[in-house]
Amino acid sequence: SQQGEEDPQALSIQEGENATMNCSYKTSINNLQWYRQNSGRGLVHLILIRSNEREKHSGRLRVTLDTSKKSSSLLITASRAADTASYFCALHSGGGADGLTFGKGTHLIIQP
Amino acid sequence: ETGVTQTPRHLVMGMTNKKSLKCEQHLGHNAMYWYKQSAKKPLELMFVYNFKEQTENNSVPSRFSPECPNSSHLFLHLHTLQPEDSALYLCASSQALGGGAPDTQYFGPGTRLTVL
Repeated sequence: SQQGEEDPQALSIQEGENATMNCSYKTSINNLQWYRQNSGRGLVHLILIRSNEREKHSGRLRVTLDTSKKSSSLLITASRAADTASYFCALHSGGGADGLTFGKGTHLIIQP
Repeated sequence: ETGVTQTPRHLVMGMTNKKSLKCEQHLGHNAMYWYKQSAKKPLELMFVYNFKEQTENNSVPSRFSPECPNSSHLFLHLHTLQPEDSALYLCASSQALGGGAPDTQYFGPGTRLTVL
């Protein structure tokens, strides 16, 4: 099964700056989800964007989806030290109870 | 925090041991999942249960044996594991809707497994 590929693999920025992470994939999807994982802990769901949607917002998060380019981006505005984590895109391609296919993630470090 | 709990949080076992990982969800969901997260590799889906029935087995070796007695509980029974099975094992649940509707998965904190 396909997986998303996040870019960059690692990103280090100053607190207050915006962080942008990208995800590319190869085949059709039902939806694309972004998750955050703090070191060695469980994943926390951030945003789900469906294949017929182009943009979604949640607080300081903005996700875009371009199905023609098979890519998505996650923007975190006004970053904080607490945003330091790994961010994963996950693809949902099958039916309702199908598992997700994850990429390797982007490790984001926010410098205070 | 997320309504999905996992025990134990850490486990060290020898290759000849038999142990079990437990997952419980308090969200009223009807689907549960096991994932494996190894260092420097993407999160890998292992098993999917929908309404207590296993709907997916992602080519997982038989030394991993899942059990889902009800829609709230999920176990992963381990026996004769190898050192390369050392990883973070994550459980997740979701509300799987009819008609293939997309759904969000809620993850537990994981069990850090070390096989000696």
